[in-house]
Amino acid sequence: AQKVTQAQTEISVVEKEDVTLDCVYETRDTTYYLFWYKQPPSGELVFLIRRNSFDEQNEISGRYSWNFQKSTSSFNFTITASQVVDSAVYFCALSEAYGGATNKLIFGTGTLLAVQP
Amino acid sequence: DSGVTQTPKHLITATGQRVTLRCSPRSGDLSVYWYQQSLDQGLQFLIQYYNGEERAKGNILERFSAQQFPDLHSELNLSSLELGDSALYFCASSPLGDSYNEQFFGPGTRLTVL
Repeated sequence: AQKVTQAQTEISVVEKEDVTLDCVYETRDTTYYLFWYKQPPSGELVFLIRRNSFDEQNEISGRYSWNFQKSTSSFNFTITASQVVDSAVYFCALSEAYGGATNKLIFGTGTLLAVQP
Repeated sequence: DSGVTQTPKHLITATGQRVTLRCSPRSGDLSVYWYQQSLDQGLQFLIQYYNGEERAKGNILERFSAQQFPDLHSELNLSSLELGDSALYFCASSPLGDSYNEQFFGPGTRLTVL
C-alpha cells in the first residue's frame, strides 16, 4: 500500500537556523515520483519539487535542498538559513506510475514550520 | 499564481443542501484533479479527469460527483451536505494525466456547512 509519513508535526526554529523536514514513503511500485508542496498561511498549495524514483541525485535550489535515498525510502527537505517567509505547512507527496494512467497524489500529514524572527 | 482558478473562494451553506464548485485549469492543461483538505482526513484525492473523461477515483463519496466540460473547466458537485463535508476543496491541473506530471493547485474553495 502507498503511504507517506511526515513524523514531525510541528517544528519551530529561529531565523537563520537550518531545518530539515523528514519524509518517509511506502510503495510497491518500482517507478514512482515524489513531490514537496508548501502551504503558506494564505492557504494555497505551492509546488516546490518533483523527484523521479530512478534519479537519486540530490537537488539544490537556492536555500532549499532535497536528499532522496531509496535505501531508506526517504525524501528529506532542508531549508538553509531559514527566514520568516518560510513559515508554512510543508507536504510531501507520492505518485505511483502503475500503467501511467493516473496521477493521484498521496500526501503526508504535513509539517508545520514556524520560523521565529 | 499557479494559473488555476477556483470559484467561489468561500461558501457557507446548510446541511442537506447542494453546492457546485468550479475550477478552470491552467491554459493548455488537459487533466484536472479534485482534493479535499480537512483537519481529520488531511489532504485526500477525490477524482481526476483527463480531457473530459474520468481517469481515476479516490475516496469520493457517492453524494459527490464531478465532470469536466469540453472547454476543460471542471465542476465538483456536493449534495445532501453534512457537517463533516466542511473542508477546503482544491482543484489542480497538469498538462497530461500521467504520474510524472507535477500538479498545480488553485487557491481552494472553503466550504462551511452549518
